Amino acid sequence: AQSVAQPEDQVNVAEGNPLTVKCTYSVSGNPYLFWYVQYPNRGLQFLLKYITGDNLVKGSYGFEAEFNKSQTSFHLKKPSALVSDSALYFCAVRDMVSYIPTFGRGTSLIVHP
Amino acid sequence: DAGVIQSPRHEVTEMGQEVTLRCKPISGHDYLFWYRQTMMRGLELLIYFNNNVPIDDSGMPEDRFSAKMPNASFSTLKIQPSEPRDSAVYFCASTRQAGELFFGEGSRLTVL
Repeated sequence: AQSVAQPEDQVNVAEGNPLTVKCTYSVSGNPYLFWYVQYPNRGLQFLLKYITGDNLVKGSYGFEAEFNKSQTSFHLKKPSALVSDSALYFCAVRDMVSYIPTFGRGTSLIVHP
Repeated sequence: DAGVIQSPRHEVTEMGQEVTLRCKPISGHDYLFWYRQTMMRGLELLIYFNNNVPIDDSGMPEDRFSAKMPNASFSTLKIQPSEPRDSAVYFCASTRQAGELFFGEGSRLTVL
């Protein structure tokens, strides 16, 4: 069975500072990993994904994520946070056989001015 | 492309009434998913279709819930009869094979 853990319910960061939202996963075989963002009263929006290749993946809005196979992690990062980045962030994983992703519980990112 | 389209965006109904939520996936996508989101349980997968065929409905909470996909461009999620604990935001999402999911804006259901 595949699973995702987002250990922090909430992350607080000051505008202009770097941010990290953590995600660890468990899956059989090689993982497909995704990050989504959800703004209030909106649906989830795709940010980035890792399928294969470079461990550092760049995505929308200046976000990037680093795949670490030994630590089974896929942390979301941004060098300089914006107040507008405040939202709910979901990590998701699926294996190479199933097309069904498993989502984490979500992490609320709050960027303070 | 207009993205995944869901209707209604908001629905308020009384306990015991039938509720029908609608979804139009992105053209060309062969997978369609129905999710439910609540504060308590987070994002739950209810059912998914592949090429209009229901593949796994193990997430459907009770027999009161049913979903159909009569063609590649339309799906419904029906709750009959509705109960207050069904209050949630229901999302439809679609994808093509191994890709990322594209979500609709959701249908916020309130059952009084």
